[in-house]
Amino acid sequence: EIVLTQSPATLSLSPGERATLSCRASQSVSSYLAWYQQKPGQAPRLLIYDASNRATGIPARFSGSGSGTDFTLTISSLEPEDFAVYYCQQRSNFYTFGQGTKLEIK
Amino acid sequence: QVQLVQSGAEVKKPGASVKVSCKASGYTFTSYDINWVRQATGQGLEWMGWMNPNSGNTGYAQKFQGRVTMTRNTSISTAYMELSSLRSEDTAVYYCAREVHYYGMDVWGQGTTVTVSS
Repeated sequence: EIVLTQSPATLSLSPGERATLSCRASQSVSSYLAWYQQKPGQAPRLLIYDASNRATGIPARFSGSGSGTDFTLTISSLEPEDFAVYYCQQRSNFYTFGQGTKLEIK
Repeated sequence: QVQLVQSGAEVKKPGASVKVSCKASGYTFTSYDINWVRQATGQGLEWMGWMNPNSGNTGYAQKFQGRVTMTRNTSISTAYMELSSLRSEDTAVYYCAREVHYYGMDVWGQGTTVTVSS
């Protein structure tokens, strides 16, 4: 099973700041990595697919990069609605999710 | 609009089974895979498996092999996930999610809370 490790576990930032979230895979997943956002009491929402492609309707402030084992989700300038938990997910070998990064207001 | 509507909350005793339904509307049910993902309270997302509603083919996470069964009824555009031999650790919210190939899980159900308690 491919293990995804996300860091940091919690990220405390202020609106307007830049957020950088990391996801590392235990073996190469090529570019088969997605990012999801989840707010309390809601289902996850697809943000990024295949490492760097924004899903439909996702604002341009969200971007993804990486390939192989190291991936990054960047939010260029945080809006109040961006504070949530973010998960990476690979589809290279079945599917697994990372444990999540909580983005909280500083 | 495209949506997945899941069945209501369940309370089960240890050792019992639970069957959660996921009704699709607004799109062709047989054209997209359905995944099942669960989330224990305060915990992360855990992928359980997938099903192709057209063929009925399935793939399960190793952790759930032998305990989970995913099926469908195409006449009513509904997918099912049955989990057997329930234990307290299976207490979680269970989600179904539509998957678009080479894209991701783009539509999710509202979640079904399953509580396992004696």
